[in-house]
Amino acid sequence: DIVMTQSPDSLAVSLGERATINCKSSQSVLYSSNNRNYLAWYQRKPGQPPKVLIYWASTRESGVPDRFSGSGSGTDFTLTISSLQPEDVAVYYCQQYYTNPPHTFGQGTKLEIK
Amino acid sequence: EMQLLESGGGLVQPGGSLRLSCAASGFTLTNSAMTWVRQAPGKRLEWVAGIRGNNDVTYYADSVKGRFTVSRDNSENTLYLQMSGLRAEDTAIYYCAKYPDYGGALYYIDSWGQGTLVTVSS
Repeated sequence: DIVMTQSPDSLAVSLGERATINCKSSQSVLYSSNNRNYLAWYQRKPGQPPKVLIYWASTRESGVPDRFSGSGSGTDFTLTISSLQPEDVAVYYCQQYYTNPPHTFGQGTKLEIK
Repeated sequence: EMQLLESGGGLVQPGGSLRLSCAASGFTLTNSAMTWVRQAPGKRLEWVAGIRGNNDVTYYADSVKGRFTVSRDNSENTLYLQMSGLRAEDTAIYYCAKYPDYGGALYYIDSWGQGTLVTVSS
C-alpha cells in the first residue's frame, strides 16, 4: 500500500496568516496518461465527518473558500490556507486514490490558532 | 438534499458479529460507488471497504479482508457492512461515504455520513 506522511503533525498559526501543510506519498500518485495527481485533501472539524476540500491535488471542491489551495505533483503535495480564519481550526488529511483500493490517508495535521 | 445515515453500531464481544447499515436519501444508490471508512481513537482515518458503482466489484483493506463484507440493497437504497470475527482493534467510528460519479470508479470521497460507533470489548 502507498504510505502517506503529513508534516507537521500539528501547527499553530495566527489569524490572517498563512498555514501550510505538507503530504508526501511513498510512491508517485501521478497518472501519466491523463497527467492527473490522484490526491485529495479533507478537513475534519470536531464532532463532524470529514469534508473534501481539494481533489486531483489542486481542484477546489464547490463551495470551498478560495483561501484554500492545493499544489504539488508526483510524491510531494501542499495544502495552503492563505489567510487563516477561526473556522479553519480542524484536522486536515491527505488521501491518495491512485491505486485500486485501499486508498490510504495521511496521519492528519491538527491546525490551531496561535 | 443528499444524506447518508448510518446505524447498527454498538458494543459487541470479541469474535462477535455486527451489521452496519447506511440509508441513502436524495440520490439513488444504484450505480453509485460507495465506501466505509473508520477512525479508531487517536488513529488516522482508515479506508475499510468499497463497492464500485457500475459492476459492484468490492475491495477491502487487508485488515478486514475475509471478515467484513460490503453490499447494497438497491430496493432499500441502503449500503451494508457485515462484520464478523470482530477484534478489539476494530473499535472505531465507522463512516459511510459516497464517491462522485466517475462512471462507478472509486476516487475521492465527496459525501460522508455522521458515523456510527462500534466498540469491541468483553
